[in-house]
Amino acid sequence: QVQLVESGGGVVQPGTSLRLSCAASGFTFNMYAIHWVRQAPGRGLEWVALTSDDGSNKNYADSVKGRFTISRDNSRNTVFLQMNSLRVEDTAVYYCARANVVTYAFDIWGRGTMVTVSS
Amino acid sequence: QSVLTQPPSVSGAPGQSVTISCTGTRSNLGAGYDVHWYQQLPGTAPKVLIYSNRYRPSTVPDRFSGSKSGTSASLAITGLQAEDEADYYCQSSDSSRSNVIFGGGTKLTVL
Repeated sequence: QVQLVESGGGVVQPGTSLRLSCAASGFTFNMYAIHWVRQAPGRGLEWVALTSDDGSNKNYADSVKGRFTISRDNSRNTVFLQMNSLRVEDTAVYYCARANVVTYAFDIWGRGTMVTVSS
Repeated sequence: QSVLTQPPSVSGAPGQSVTISCTGTRSNLGAGYDVHWYQQLPGTAPKVLIYSNRYRPSTVPDRFSGSKSGTSASLAITGLQAEDEADYYCQSSDSSRSNVIFGGGTKLTVL
């Protein structure tokens, strides 16, 4: 079964760090770029970061640049999102999504993991 | 403020048709980047509804169709059903920004 499963969310204080994981199964992981997309409570989707299939290319939204780092371990079929200097406005459900190799559409999504930043 | 502009809400009665617009600029839709549409049912993750402007995954009913022209794209839904009530998002790329951009989302209400 083709799937992505996020983990690592939780409640943290502003200024602290958290690392999210996205575990993939059911497909050839090292052929696909993986993205993180977040959704604040009651708000729309916001793209966060991407890693290319081999991890050599990474890109970030301006809102997280310099604070978040995306990485992947193809031997473990897992993508990580290291989130530092967390802010209240980072509170959201974080989804990882697979980008189709031909169309670049997000054809597989995880169920998401909730991150709450609050004092 | 999203780079791609969608109406916040649309509504229609069962059996009717609705259209959701997605307006971009010369640096995204107008630059030739494809648009993709996602449906997000309440409490669930988004799923791709239309990819590359007008193509449907095999699991999506043909009541859903997409089109793109210049700096605008549209998602059309015919024969509205109660199960279509959801949030709909358009997505593309932008040459002047980071990478991926989303529309603000449109909430479809089936009356």
